Amino acid sequence: GESVGLHLPTLSVQEGDNSIINCAYSNSASDYFIWYKQESGKGPQFIIDIRSNMDKRQGQRVTVLLNKTVKHLSLQIAATQPGDSAVYFCAENLGTGRRALTFGSGTRLQVQP
Amino acid sequence: GAGVSQSPRYKVTKRGQDVTLRCDPISSHATLYWYQQALGQGPEFLTYFNYEAQPDKSGLPSDRFSAERPEGSISTLTIQRTEQRDSAMYRCASSGTDQETQYFGPGTRLLVL
Repeated sequence: GESVGLHLPTLSVQEGDNSIINCAYSNSASDYFIWYKQESGKGPQFIIDIRSNMDKRQGQRVTVLLNKTVKHLSLQIAATQPGDSAVYFCAENLGTGRRALTFGSGTRLQVQP
Repeated sequence: GAGVSQSPRYKVTKRGQDVTLRCDPISSHATLYWYQQALGQGPEFLTYFNYEAQPDKSGLPSDRFSAERPEGSISTLTIQRTEQRDSAMYRCASSGTDQETQYFGPGTRLLVL
């Protein structure tokens, strides 16, 4: 299969620890943000999203935090598991009626058993 | 269908040939997107459709690239007179409406020799 993220920043964590993946976005007009997980050989898989009128949203084992003041987005994964190992991308929608997503450069998460 | 499907999964062609890639979105999804993903990077927007209308094709890199969705369901992306720099993964995504989460397909890996 394909190899995603040959030279990406890598976060290495122990199984069971919490993971925090960070993302800086560029456009203050962005109104919608999404985190995707991409495993080798697969397409991006939706994890969680948040709109600009919120600063926190929780899912199952995942939490997204949005700080619009500094244009920062983070993904927290609780009790990280080996199956969480993948490349994680944040994406923003630039608003103003444009529906395309702009993706960040990605972070590789490696979970050590 | 259960998810977004794309065909072929792999395509090898010679420089100068035309290629056509196919996307079958999640059934009943109104909106369909095409992205290009280079190794180690996030997907980059090419174009999208709302049913058969194509409101934004600003991401298409040249006039050699075109997309169609004539009946508002299946879409094709055609690259004419392929060049080596067109080699990439081409991903399709669909969403219920253009305000909703985009779900990605497995992609077509294009290699231009």
